[in-house]
Amino acid sequence: GAGVSQTPSNKVTEKGKYVELRCDPISGHTALYWYRQSLGQGPEFLIYFQGTGAADDSGLPNDRFFAVRPEGSVSTLKIQRTERGDSAVYLCASSLMDRGRYNEQFFGPGTRLTVL
Amino acid sequence: AQSVTQLGSHVSVSEGALVLLRCNYSSSVPPYLFWYVQYPNQGLQLLLKYTSAATLVKGINGFEAEFKKSETSFHLTKPSAHMSDAAEYFCAVSDRYGGSQGNLIFGKGTKLSVKP
Repeated sequence: GAGVSQTPSNKVTEKGKYVELRCDPISGHTALYWYRQSLGQGPEFLIYFQGTGAADDSGLPNDRFFAVRPEGSVSTLKIQRTERGDSAVYLCASSLMDRGRYNEQFFGPGTRLTVL
Repeated sequence: AQSVTQLGSHVSVSEGALVLLRCNYSSSVPPYLFWYVQYPNQGLQLLLKYTSAATLVKGINGFEAEFKKSETSFHLTKPSAHMSDAAEYFCAVSDRYGGSQGNLIFGKGTKLSVKP
């Protein structure tokens, strides 16, 4: 079956521009996560959705970052006024959300963002 | 706050030798623990997980890890390295929210090289 997909796979932009990164989760997965992986580092949590609502956005670094999931499926991570330090691989993961049990997160291939 | 420390950013072994990748965690509650592998230009793949049953966990590709609460460790081992094991390995911890899983906290990763 189809896994988590992310588009685009690569995005090059100029400092100060606005970008949108898209994540298509596995069908039926109600939980969706965004992570950011900078060069030489492990992935860092950004935001977590349960359905349409952001259940935890404590990892967003500042107010230039915003994410939505309007219909509880596809999610878009939006970055305003991009800075060179935003260059990283942005990973999306999805999972079921069966309460009281472990639910594996399945990761997409990531979007590599380069800010020149 | 939860954290993960991976000792050694690079580990090099000879083909056929024992692989040992170290991970120590910090968590105020019984955690879920994970090892992920990332091949070049690919997404994260779950190798194995500890979710509170047996403390010795077996994963894919001959890897296993042992949860040691007294040492707050979850080291990854494989008896005999293959060339195909060359990749980056990430240890991760997650809170339990009433038994459900929260976001993942990753270590910085250990790059494994395998010499012929």
